[in-house]
Amino acid sequence: DSGVTQTPKHLITATGQRVTLRCSPRSGDLSVYWYQQSLDQGLQFLIQYYNGEERAKGNILERFSAQQFPDLHSELNLSSLELGDSALYFCASSGPGSVEQFFGPGTRLTVL
Amino acid sequence: GESVGLHLPTLSVQEGDNSIINCAYSNSASDYFIWYKQESGKGPQFIIDIRSNMDKRQGQRVTVLLNKTVKHLSLQIAATQPGDSAVYFCAENSGGSNYKLTFGKGTLLTVNP
Repeated sequence: DSGVTQTPKHLITATGQRVTLRCSPRSGDLSVYWYQQSLDQGLQFLIQYYNGEERAKGNILERFSAQQFPDLHSELNLSSLELGDSALYFCASSGPGSVEQFFGPGTRLTVL
Repeated sequence: GESVGLHLPTLSVQEGDNSIINCAYSNSASDYFIWYKQESGKGPQFIIDIRSNMDKRQGQRVTVLLNKTVKHLSLQIAATQPGDSAVYFCAENSGGSNYKLTFGKGTLLTVNP
């Protein structure tokens, strides 16, 4: 158990819909990262937040957005969903000044 | 552009043998590298890391080697066990202090009893 929690574990929805994925980092970690993992693209970095502020952006679509709240939990919002958005979405967290990222168990999103 | 790739997508070894998983990276500015292990149905788990000013680092049963001349990273697992069966990813930090990790596609290691 990494200490990072993600909900829900599974999510099934239809094209065009909007979903919200939730992540709680390890206690004391200020950085939260979101990744998308699909069979053909591997593990892709989406976005990073540090203490509530966006720190770095990766291959995140404009239909996707994220935020980190004062209690440091983070949410990833996916809108206008397409079939190709079906993937595993991982959240990771790291402590101040640490490169090591601890990953949560992931949310499996299926878009039908 | 930035890319991290793996030479071998699959590797099958006998229990007790040593395993070597290879990785090539393209960003010469990357200053930090990590190996992650991902078991089925779980998130990636940190195994070992190495900074670019080092060429070797050892952990418990694992060793990471870094060859900056040819931009090559390897993970050696000694006395491989069935519990080592998983997908192994190398990742490079190309974001400096932002710690933006770029992951390779992964190598599936299968350990036969």
